[in-house]
Amino acid sequence: GEDVEQSLFLSVREGDSSVINCTYTDSSSTYLYWYKQEPGAGLQLLTYIFSNMDMKQDQRLTVLLNKKDKHLSLRIADTQTGDSAIYFCAHDTGRRALTFGSGTRLQVQP
Amino acid sequence: EAGVTQFPSHSVIEKGQTVTLRCDPISGHDNLYWYRRVMGKEIKFLLHFVKESKQDESGMPNNRFLAERTGGTYSTLKVQPAELEDSGVYFCASSSPGSQIIFGPGTRLTVT
Repeated sequence: GEDVEQSLFLSVREGDSSVINCTYTDSSSTYLYWYKQEPGAGLQLLTYIFSNMDMKQDQRLTVLLNKKDKHLSLRIADTQTGDSAIYFCAHDTGRRALTFGSGTRLQVQP
Repeated sequence: EAGVTQFPSHSVIEKGQTVTLRCDPISGHDNLYWYRRVMGKEIKFLLHFVKESKQDESGMPNNRFLAERTGGTYSTLKVQPAELEDSGVYFCASSSPGSQIIFGPGTRLTVT
């Protein structure tokens, strides 16, 4: 299977919370990342978490890391239409390269 | 500070032609990476330069792809001859030791 797996699509209503999940297989990661790609734009680093942490909060974003289950999630509170994008989970491999998931397309319904 | 820039933003070429993509990293960043996303799949690592040297080119798909970084500044990625399956978005990224990896906007390559 893939090194990093994500569900392909998530649809939420404006104002609700969104939770995007990611599982990975490589336990040697130092950092785990969430990137956002808006239509026609490049990859924007949203947030990251150090592998010895289990939670990080940054305004509307909460990252949860379960190292035992190799599960990473991104929660977006009060989701807005501007949050519609593709969200990529990624981790470093120790070679200073990143391994990405396939991306989750978040659609926010007004 | 200027970010990572890539040129062109979009390229449409015919099968069998040659295309050269360019990446200008953030000034002072010794690490330069190429990634690509093909057909809506995951973003895959292609190769990693440290200054002008190829540190890791394990992700290069085949010998139709040639990456260079003469002088350790900008980098080019040439595809010759291009095939239909090469269509996708090619991302460049750069970093310095201890810094986050910063991505460029990508080049969308369409091979018809």
